Amino acid sequence: RKEVEQDPGPFNVPEGATVAFNCTYSNSASQSFFWYRQDCRKEPKLLMSVYSSGNEDGRFTAQLNRASQYISLLIRDSKLSDSATYLCVVIPSMNTDKLIFGTGTRLQVFP
Amino acid sequence: DTGVSQDPRHKITKRGQNVTFRCDPISEHNRLYWYRQTLGQGPEFLTYFQNEAQLEKSRLLSDRFSAERPKGSFSTLEIQRTEQGDSAMYLCASSTGTDSNYGYTFGSGTRLTVV
Repeated sequence: RKEVEQDPGPFNVPEGATVAFNCTYSNSASQSFFWYRQDCRKEPKLLMSVYSSGNEDGRFTAQLNRASQYISLLIRDSKLSDSATYLCVVIPSMNTDKLIFGTGTRLQVFP
Repeated sequence: DTGVSQDPRHKITKRGQNVTFRCDPISEHNRLYWYRQTLGQGPEFLTYFQNEAQLEKSRLLSDRFSAERPKGSFSTLEIQRTEQGDSAMYLCASSTGTDSNYGYTFGSGTRLTVV
């Protein structure tokens, strides 16, 4: 079983739509959680950290459910510029600093 | 210093040759990481350093791979006797190591093609 699992998509949505991505992680000791965005043939960039209480950054809302080992990302009012791959990322324990990435979920927003 | 710099951007090599990549992290970042990414997959962890000390190394890193950070600044990743399966994007990242919630800054990567 992969440490971080995501639906690879693609998700094809019209501009203005709301879209949600889900992610599960296998290691209950995982400490830190992030969503990264990666454009085609570019490096990953931090979109947002995910906190236990849930957090919001503009049109983006992230949620963490430690009991279910589940992370989500909600994008409201999708823009064409949101088209990218969204990577779910965890740090699996207190004893390491490495990031473990999911395979990513591809989003395509169309006019 | 505006970000993490990697060199070269692209490398094409024949199977069996050795290749070396360089990463220059953000100057105040004491942690440096190497990842590998193949098409359709997320980046896979290879190794990381705090200053010059190599703190962790993935099982993915076979004997043909070696990484160094001799003075705690730039790092090199060497692949000996390259194989076609080594073809991938090699990404370097750096962080301060003091607050993991701020994530890491990645370089643009070195794309390796083994022919």
